[in-house]
Amino acid sequence: KAGVTQTPRYLIKTRGQQVTLSCSPISGHRSVSWYQQTPGQGLQFLFEYFSETQRNKGNFPGRFSGRQFSNSRSEMNVSTLELGDSALYLCASSLTGRTNEKLFFGSGTQLSVL
Amino acid sequence: AQKITQTQPGMFVQEKEAVTLDCTYDTSDQSYGLFWYKQPSSGEMIFLIYQGSYDEQNATEGRYSLNFQKARKSANLVISASQLGDSAMYFCAMREYYRDDKIIFGKGTRLHILP
Repeated sequence: KAGVTQTPRYLIKTRGQQVTLSCSPISGHRSVSWYQQTPGQGLQFLFEYFSETQRNKGNFPGRFSGRQFSNSRSEMNVSTLELGDSALYLCASSLTGRTNEKLFFGSGTQLSVL
Repeated sequence: AQKITQTQPGMFVQEKEAVTLDCTYDTSDQSYGLFWYKQPSSGEMIFLIYQGSYDEQNATEGRYSLNFQKARKSANLVISASQLGDSAMYFCAMREYYRDDKIIFGKGTRLHILP
């Protein structure tokens, strides 16, 4: 069974640009969640999607958005990039997103904003 | 207020020794779940173990066990017979069932296993 796939692995952008990250969950998993990891703030929850609907959202500005498609694949978009958006962005999937379910993570997208 | 506290930023342990990684949490929710994840240098987070707040027995998964002390709000991870491949970052995390349901991670502990 293929794991969670995130593309691209690395991205370099400049301030003001926008970026789209992609996540393909494990087959059969309907919940996808996104996380930002930085040395200063650690791992922070961005949002969770289940059956194409955003079910939960972290404390991030509106520049961070996402969506989920009918095949459960998800994309995350960051508009008007800032230097502070440089981070490892991790995607995780689970069967239904129930609170006690373990998450399966991808290897992440390393975003550098110059 | 920080909800998950991992007080050990880094640890060095001799191979084959047991190691305990500390985690304390803060919640007023009665129903919650506690997780430990491992992050090797490749970046991918790997699930290790889960403990529900109503579980009476400490969780175990192979060489991993969770020392759950509910009254003290502590959920320490114990790795028995450490191996070189255990060198990684370890994150404690919590999800509150009713209040928020967002997973919250601690800052992590960097574990180094020495040969």
